[in-house]
Amino acid sequence: DIVMTQTPLSSPVTLGQPASISCRSSQSLVHSDGNTYLSWLQQRPGQPPRLLFYKISNRLSGVPDRFSGSGAGTDFTLKISRVEAEDVGVYYCMQGTQFPLTFGGGTKVEIK
Amino acid sequence: QVQLQESGPGLVKPSQTLSLTCTVSGSSISSTTYCWGWIRQPAGRELEWIGRIYDSGTATYNPSLRSRVTISVDTSKNQFSLKLSSVTAADTAVYYCARYDFWQNWFDPWGQGTLVTVSS
Repeated sequence: DIVMTQTPLSSPVTLGQPASISCRSSQSLVHSDGNTYLSWLQQRPGQPPRLLFYKISNRLSGVPDRFSGSGAGTDFTLKISRVEAEDVGVYYCMQGTQFPLTFGGGTKVEIK
Repeated sequence: QVQLQESGPGLVKPSQTLSLTCTVSGSSISSTTYCWGWIRQPAGRELEWIGRIYDSGTATYNPSLRSRVTISVDTSKNQFSLKLSSVTAADTAVYYCARYDFWQNWFDPWGQGTLVTVSS
């Protein structure tokens, strides 16, 4: 199985300041079709997960542009340029390149 | 707007079978783009993919659970279901159903989730 490792576990951030979350996979997520199936999900308190990005950096409609996804191969990053109160929650990366599908352990973004 | 809703018993006894149903609204479960999946999350732990099913009934399971899992689909009711046999306390978790785009390989949207506790 591909192991997805997220750091940090927790990220206390001042409102208006940036936040960065790292996701590293135990093997390359480049599929034989040339695509990299790495997605990011946000789980606000008391809510189910919600998709933010797919294939590394494709933003879903309605996701604020202060969020960005980047990376390649085995190293990926989710950045929030200026954290707002509504961004509080747990963020997960997920790989869809190889079965079984696997998720990172999650990074909690909270306000200082 | 597609919505998914899980339903089923919140308490299951050890060694019995956990059964959940996911009802899809706002979209037909029959699709050339999407299939349907189950994911679970034990308290304080990471998300675990259980399996997915196409409208044809073809299913793929996580090898870690394959011997105990069955996912089925009922297109006439726009529902798909999960059965997990021989449950133990380790199967206590919030169970989510979600739509899976099998071309882009992502899950969205997700149901609200339902807590299933395994206890006597």
